[in-house]
Amino acid sequence: KQEVTQIPAALSVPEGENLVLNCSFTDSAIYNLQWFRQDPGKGLTSLLLIQSSQREQTSGRLNASLDKSSGRSTLYIAASQPGDSATYLCAVKGRSQGNLIFGKGTKLSVKP
Amino acid sequence: DGGITQSPKYLFRKEGQNVTLSCEQNLNHDAMYWYRQDPGQGLRLIYYSQIVNDFQKGDIAEGYSVSREKKESFPLTVTSAQKNPTAFYLCASSTGGIGQFFGPGTRLTVL
Repeated sequence: KQEVTQIPAALSVPEGENLVLNCSFTDSAIYNLQWFRQDPGKGLTSLLLIQSSQREQTSGRLNASLDKSSGRSTLYIAASQPGDSATYLCAVKGRSQGNLIFGKGTKLSVKP
Repeated sequence: DGGITQSPKYLFRKEGQNVTLSCEQNLNHDAMYWYRQDPGQGLRLIYYSQIVNDFQKGDIAEGYSVSREKKESFPLTVTSAQKNPTAFYLCASSTGGIGQFFGPGTRLTVL
């Protein structure tokens, strides 16, 4: 059974710092991996989607990498801003299923 | 504007009462999903539907029911058999390999 783990559970950094959020999964037979952002009391906003054949995806200050063989993905945030404060969720889609398996998230706080 | 809408935003249920959460999408996506989010537990799949008039149970389907009579609609009913329904409910849709898109959520509280 696929399990997704995100470390750390919470992270606090000063504004302007570059940071990395980690996601690991137990079954490397994935179809894709998706990173989301969730603000308190809100739905999920998709940030980046990496297909199983890809190594990384970039959007603005965000860069996500995927290493299927080691079961790991990282989300890199450059020059962090207070507006980046949110919970970041990682989710994988298996090859034989349509739904996503989620990690519990990393709660990020960027201090001015 | 294309997107996913959920209503109501807040819902209160009395003991023994069934309630229905609405989810509508105008993205022309084939698949729709319902997830439940509890503090510290992440999102868990309740039900999903790949096509109209077909749906499958997820990991925590007990006490819930769904229907998929139209492509754009996937309502979730929380029945009295669900003993601990207080949670944040999220609906999502997808098609092909583009990833899942989520609605704003409904917060259900049992009085």
